[in-house]
Amino acid sequence: EVQLVESGGGLIQPGGSLRLSCEASGFTVSSTYMSWVRQAPGKGLEWVSVVYGGGSTDHADSVKGRFTISRDNSKNTLYLQMNSLRAEDTAVYYCARTKPIPGDQYYMDVWGKGTTVTVSS
Amino acid sequence: QSVLTQPPSVSGAPGQRVTISCTGSSSIIGAGYDVNWYQHFPGAAPKLLIFRNNIRPSGVPDRFSGSKSGASASLAITGLQAEDEADYYCQSYDSSRSAVVFGGGTKVTVL
Repeated sequence: EVQLVESGGGLIQPGGSLRLSCEASGFTVSSTYMSWVRQAPGKGLEWVSVVYGGGSTDHADSVKGRFTISRDNSKNTLYLQMNSLRAEDTAVYYCARTKPIPGDQYYMDVWGKGTTVTVSS
Repeated sequence: QSVLTQPPSVSGAPGQRVTISCTGSSSIIGAGYDVNWYQHFPGAAPKLLIFRNNIRPSGVPDRFSGSKSGASASLAITGLQAEDEADYYCQSYDSSRSAVVFGGGTKVTVL
């Protein structure tokens, strides 16, 4: 069964750092794209980051320079390193298996249940 | 404010047909990028409902259908059921920002 399980969320003070993990089963993270998407309280879905099959990455402007997406193929796990956290980063963070479409675009076909990050003093 | 515009809410009686629109700019849907749709129940994992404008993944009922024309796309739910009450999001790609974009979401209420 294809499954994604996120962990690592919690309460963190502004300016702090946190690393989220997403353990995959039923497929290998290195064989496809993988993304992080978040949902702030009362808001909609917001794309955060993507790692492509070859290992290159892209990040949303709102997190660029502060967040880094990566993967460990030996552990079949996706990560999101979050630094310089702000109150507006408070959200449920979902990891998602991501399928490429011709034309440099993609969609998310399998999602985890998410992990909650709260940035507050 | 999302770059893809969806109505905040739609409602219908059981058995009725409802549609959710998703409108984007010339750098998004109008540029030819595909639209994908997700169903999201609060507290659960989002679920892919439609990809590449009108393709249903295996297991998605054929009551759900997608279409795209020009700079807009639509999700239709026919034979509305109580279990369809959820939030629905469209998603595409914004070439001007090299980024995935989501609509603001539409809450479907079954009366």
